[in-house]
Amino acid sequence: KQEVTQIPAALSVPEGENLVLNCSFTDSAIYNLQWFRQDPGKGLTSLLLIQSSQREQTSGRLNASLDKSSGRSTLYIAASQPGDSATYLCAVYSGGGADGLTFGKGTHLIIQP
Amino acid sequence: NAGVTQTPKFQVLKTGQSMTLQCAQDMNHEYMSWYRQDPGMGLRLIHYSVGAGITDQGEVPNGYNVSRSTTEDFPLRLLSAAPSQTSVYFCASSFMKGNEQFFGPGTRLTVL
Repeated sequence: KQEVTQIPAALSVPEGENLVLNCSFTDSAIYNLQWFRQDPGKGLTSLLLIQSSQREQTSGRLNASLDKSSGRSTLYIAASQPGDSATYLCAVYSGGGADGLTFGKGTHLIIQP
Repeated sequence: NAGVTQTPKFQVLKTGQSMTLQCAQDMNHEYMSWYRQDPGMGLRLIHYSVGAGITDQGEVPNGYNVSRSTTEDFPLRLLSAAPSQTSVYFCASSFMKGNEQFFGPGTRLTVL
């Protein structure tokens, strides 16, 4: 059974810092990996989708990398801003069986002004 | 486009009551799914559908029923609510299974 782990569970950094959020998964046979942002009391907003054949994807100040063989992904946030404060969720799509996303429990990020 | 919409936003039920959570999307997506989000558990897949007339069970399907009569709508039914079903429910859709998924705003359900 696929399991997804996100470290750290919580992170607080001053504004302007570059930071890295980590995601690991137990079964490397994935089709893709998706990073989401969730604000308190809100739904999930898709940030980046990386296909299994890709090594990285970029969107603005966000860069996500994927090392499928080692079961790891990172989300890099450059020049962090208070508006980046949210919970960041990593999810993998493995296909087969229960045909949906397997989520990590998230990293709760606070950017201090 | 409204994207993925869910109603109601909040609901309180008594044990044993039934209700339907509504989900609709206007993006002509074939794949739709339901998740529940509980503290410390992350999001877990309840049911999913790869197209109109086709539904299947996810990781935690017990106590829930779904149907998919149109491409746009994917309602989730609680037949006899239990306190263990207190949760936040999210509906999601994608063009096809395995594509980028888009989530609705969620329904916060409390069962007393």
